[in-house]
Amino acid sequence: AQKITQTQPGMFVQEKEAVTLDCTYDTSDPSYGLFWYKQPSSGEMIFLIYQGSYDQQNATEGRYSLNFQKARKSANLVISASQLGDSAMYFCAMREGEGYSTLTFGKGTMLLVSP
Amino acid sequence: DGGITQSPKYLFRKEGQNVTLSCEQNLNHDAMYWYRQDPGQGLRLIYYSQIVNDFQKGDIAEGYSVSREKKESFPLTVTSAQKNPTAFYLCASSKRNSNQPQHFGDGTRLSIL
Repeated sequence: AQKITQTQPGMFVQEKEAVTLDCTYDTSDPSYGLFWYKQPSSGEMIFLIYQGSYDQQNATEGRYSLNFQKARKSANLVISASQLGDSAMYFCAMREGEGYSTLTFGKGTMLLVSP
Repeated sequence: DGGITQSPKYLFRKEGQNVTLSCEQNLNHDAMYWYRQDPGQGLRLIYYSQIVNDFQKGDIAEGYSVSREKKESFPLTVTSAQKNPTAFYLCASSKRNSNQPQHFGDGTRLSIL
């Protein structure tokens, strides 16, 4: 079974609208973390936001927020007020356990923001 | 500014040839990682290292080798045993704490001539 599932291969949104990118995960470890990264066409991976399994509140970073529903094992990224520069691939990733842990990535969602 | 430097940006390999991708970081991170990305796919872990002179295989280590002689450097060699090496390779590093994100370099695109 896939550990990270991103079911939306592509999403379209108009500038200034909000958009939600879906991510579901599968783990039996009580300690885990969820990360979202943005990959523009140039290729670099840009860290956006982090949510720990024990965090009581949903993470927020500027226009990015994470809708964390632990019982449903989902960690959806919400981008408010989309901008043209938000057009990119978005990856959800999970770290299981403590200390140095590797990340497991989903296959990504391509977001296109139109004027 | 601190960061991760990968070189070269583009690399071409002939059949049967080994090539080495460079990754250097000045973030004073303990852990370093190598990922492979194929078109339309997520990242898959090749190798990672938590301390100098120690490294572990990831999910797709066959046909690759690494070394970690210095904290700052984690070169990846793509050997001739890797039958389908054409891909985008990303190097990352991270701090000790598990809630700290991995920081990535700009990647190396490897193609077969």
